[in-house]
Amino acid sequence: SQKIEQNSEALNIQEGKTATLTCNYTNYSPAYLQWYRQDPGRGPVFLLLIRENEKEKRKERLKVTFDTTLKQSLFHITASQPADSATYLCAHSGGGADGLTFGKGTHLIIQP
Amino acid sequence: GAVVSQHPSWVICKSGTSVKIECRSLDFQATTMFWYRQFPKQSLMLMATSNEGSKATYEQGVEKDKFLINHASLTLSTLTVTSAHPEDSSFYICSPQGTSRPEQYFGPGTRLTVT
Repeated sequence: SQKIEQNSEALNIQEGKTATLTCNYTNYSPAYLQWYRQDPGRGPVFLLLIRENEKEKRKERLKVTFDTTLKQSLFHITASQPADSATYLCAHSGGGADGLTFGKGTHLIIQP
Repeated sequence: GAVVSQHPSWVICKSGTSVKIECRSLDFQATTMFWYRQFPKQSLMLMATSNEGSKATYEQGVEKDKFLINHASLTLSTLTVTSAHPEDSSFYICSPQGTSRPEQYFGPGTRLTVT
């Protein structure tokens, strides 16, 4: 079965720098990869989705890439701010009728 | 994004009792409801999927007689944890789905502590 791996449990970044988070999948190329933000004690919030046939997606300071050769998605936050500190989750699903399979998440800390 | 509410936000109950968690989609009709749980320092795990008016489909390892799901309307679903035990203590999160779009919107979660 498909596994989603986020190998960095935690990442400390200086404010203003670009934070880069990694998500790897182990099996077949998923139709979509999705990124969510989760704050402590809260449900996840959808950020970005990238399709298998897309190389890159951007939204404001966020950028997601999808490399089917490396079986990897990278999530970038440029000009990082302390308010970006949270856990970021990578997830995949087969489609709208399917639940999501999540990675363990990366706890990002942006230091002032 | 979608507006989703969950009630209660937290609950403490004694071992052996049952707890009901409500999930409401406030600005759209949810034909499908996903229920997830999250143990401390772990990621979300899908427990079950329900479609309005139908029986829920449970993921492997999730006891359907213990976690009762009701999805009687397009805006309300309930998860009842029956005969709760301390190992059921977790963060339960619902995700109503009203379209075929793959991105999901989540409720704020319910923290259940069983003593």
